Amino acid sequence: AQKVTQAQTEISVVEKEDVTLDCVYETRDTTYYLFWYKQPPSGELVFLIRRNSFDEQNEISGRYSWNFQKSTSSFNFTITASQVVDSAVYFCALSEARRGGGNKLTFGTGTQLKVEL
Amino acid sequence: DAGVIQSPRHEVTEMGQEVTLRCKPISGHNSLFWYRQTMMRGLELLIYFNNNVPIDDSGMPEDRFSAKMPNASFSTLKIQPSEPRDSAVYFCASSQGTEYGEKNEKLFFGSGTQLSVL
Repeated sequence: AQKVTQAQTEISVVEKEDVTLDCVYETRDTTYYLFWYKQPPSGELVFLIRRNSFDEQNEISGRYSWNFQKSTSSFNFTITASQVVDSAVYFCALSEARRGGGNKLTFGTGTQLKVEL
Repeated sequence: DAGVIQSPRHEVTEMGQEVTLRCKPISGHNSLFWYRQTMMRGLELLIYFNNNVPIDDSGMPEDRFSAKMPNASFSTLKIQPSEPRDSAVYFCASSQGTEYGEKNEKLFFGSGTQLSVL
């Protein structure tokens, strides 16, 4: 069975600090996909990134960066120079590519990030 | 470009009443998902459809819950009779995924329906 663990329930930082959100996953499949979603206070879920299991290159998008390491089954998310608008709950998710699996996502429990002035 | 549209945004009902949540996926998407979010259990997949056919309903809590997708542009999630423990935010999401998940396109979520059962 697939599982996603986000051990950090809540993180508080001061604006401009860097912050890393951890994600560890479990799967028996060799082909799978990892995602990060953001849920701001307004409640909607916003897609941030998708990564497949064959692509271990780190990715950077503005102040956001992701570190995927298959050896440790981790897919961590770093926000550089955090801003108040980054305050949200961040979810890591896993999808297995097999018949009937479709792109059904298993979500972690989320990390509440609070960025204060 | 309209996103996933859910209605109503908020629903307050009394225990024992029937509740129907509605979802209109993004046009052209062929996979539709119903998720439930609670503090205790986080985001749980209830059921998903591919090409209007239910593929996996193993997450549906019990027989009180049912979901239908009569066509590519509409789905409903019904709870009958509702109970206080059904109180949660219910999300609908759609994507261009395939039954085999080859594309694993990202899910686009609706704004959710906040359900309160008193």
